[in-house]
Amino acid sequence: AQSVTQLGSHVSVSEGALVLLRCNYSSSVPPYLFWYVQYPNQGLQLLLKYTSAATLVKGINGFEAEFKKSETSFHLTKPSAHMSDAAEYFCAVSDMGDMRFGAGTRLTVKP
Amino acid sequence: SAVISQKPSRDICQRGTSLTIQCQVDSQVTMMFWYRQQPGQSLTLIATANQGSEATYESGFVIDKFPISRPNLTFSTLTVSNMSPEDSSIYLCSAYSGLAGANEQFFGPGTRLTVL
Repeated sequence: AQSVTQLGSHVSVSEGALVLLRCNYSSSVPPYLFWYVQYPNQGLQLLLKYTSAATLVKGINGFEAEFKKSETSFHLTKPSAHMSDAAEYFCAVSDMGDMRFGAGTRLTVKP
Repeated sequence: SAVISQKPSRDICQRGTSLTIQCQVDSQVTMMFWYRQQPGQSLTLIATANQGSEATYESGFVIDKFPISRPNLTFSTLTVSNMSPEDSSIYLCSAYSGLAGANEQFFGPGTRLTVL
């Protein structure tokens, strides 16, 4: 079965600093990988997805993620954090719609 | 793309009662799923809703507690039976379209359930 592990349940950065949220996957087949963001009391919003077309995936709000097969990783980055980036971030892996989520990482942005 | 609607959007229920949540997709999809998000937690897959047959449940979830129906390609229901406060969660419907080579996953807005 496919799964993802998010390293770090809480990440705190200063405004303007690099954001790095870590995700490692386990899959017996080439994975489809996703990052979602969830703001308080709101639904899931897709940030980006990897479907094997390109290893560097650019998403919304300045986020991007790089698929590294050798490291089984799909870390999410943003060069400069904004206060509005404070939210819960979920990494997910999907096999024909059967999507499994990581535990989530809460991002705090300090002024 | 597909748009998913869920009814109700939220409800407050008494323990021991049951609630049925409806999920409607505006286009045909290949697969439909139900997820639960407990307060402060991630999303957990409850089951895959199979058209015309019994749902496929994940470990820890059983049909007697979470009966699911999917009578056609665009509609599914999830019932939360004999509710207790521990069932207070957001329940989300998800749909997957693998038609014409697509690989698209969609989520409904969720049903926020509070059990007193």
